Amino acid sequence: ETGVTQTPRHLVMGMTNKKSLKCEQHLGHNAMYWYKQSAKKPLELMFVYNFKEQTENNSVPSRFSPECPNSSHLFLHLHTLQPEDSALYLCASSQEGQGTDTQYFGPGTRLTVL
Amino acid sequence: GQQLNQSPQSMFIQEGEDVSMNCTSSSIFNTWLWYKQDPGEGPVLLIALYKAGELTSNGRLTAQFGITRKDSFLNISASIPSDVGIYFCAAFTGTASKLTFGTGTRLQVTL
Repeated sequence: ETGVTQTPRHLVMGMTNKKSLKCEQHLGHNAMYWYKQSAKKPLELMFVYNFKEQTENNSVPSRFSPECPNSSHLFLHLHTLQPEDSALYLCASSQEGQGTDTQYFGPGTRLTVL
Repeated sequence: GQQLNQSPQSMFIQEGEDVSMNCTSSSIFNTWLWYKQDPGEGPVLLIALYKAGELTSNGRLTAQFGITRKDSFLNISASIPSDVGIYFCAAFTGTASKLTFGTGTRLQVTL
C-alpha cells in the first residue's frame, strides 16, 4: 500500500465511449502525475500538476483530458480513444521542494480500447 | 533529452543467486531511485539515493549512487522467487516532477 489509490483497476471501453480514471493520494503531497505504460516501452509522462496547476503536458492528444480539483485528487477523462491507447495508466504523487522528493505510484488502471 | 541506459534488459537466475543491475547516463543527476514493478501493478519504491557515493541497503537490496552522479547500481543478494518482476532505475535533478526512467530490467528466478 503506497498511499496512492486508483479506480477502476481495469477498464474496457469502445472507441466512442467516455470514461474517467480516478486517482487519490493520502500522503499530503502537493504534486500529482499521470503516466502511460505500454508494453515494452519506458514509462511516458503525460501530465504534471503542482499545487493543482498543470505544469506539464507532454504533447498528449486532446482525447485525454486531466482534471485536478484539489491536491489529493486527479482525474483523467477519456473520450474517443483509439486501440493504441490501450495501456496501463499510472498515477503518482510527490511532495515537491523537500530535497528528498520521491514519486509514489498507484497500482494503475489497465485500459483496453476495443 | 535525458536518457537512462539500464542493463541488463533481462536476467534469468536461480534461487539463491546474487543479482546486479545498473543504470548509466550522460547527464548528471542529484537523486537516483530504484523501483520494482510486479505484473499489473504500479512501481513500488525500493531505495532512494540523495548523495553521490551514498550506499544504501533495504533488506537484501543494496544500491549505490555513483560518485560521478551519472550512474547507479542495484544488487539483490540471495534471490528468492518473489524477487521476480521488473526493476526500474529513475533519476532527477531539482524536483521529482523531472523524473526520468530507465527501460527496466526484467528478473526471472527459477527454483
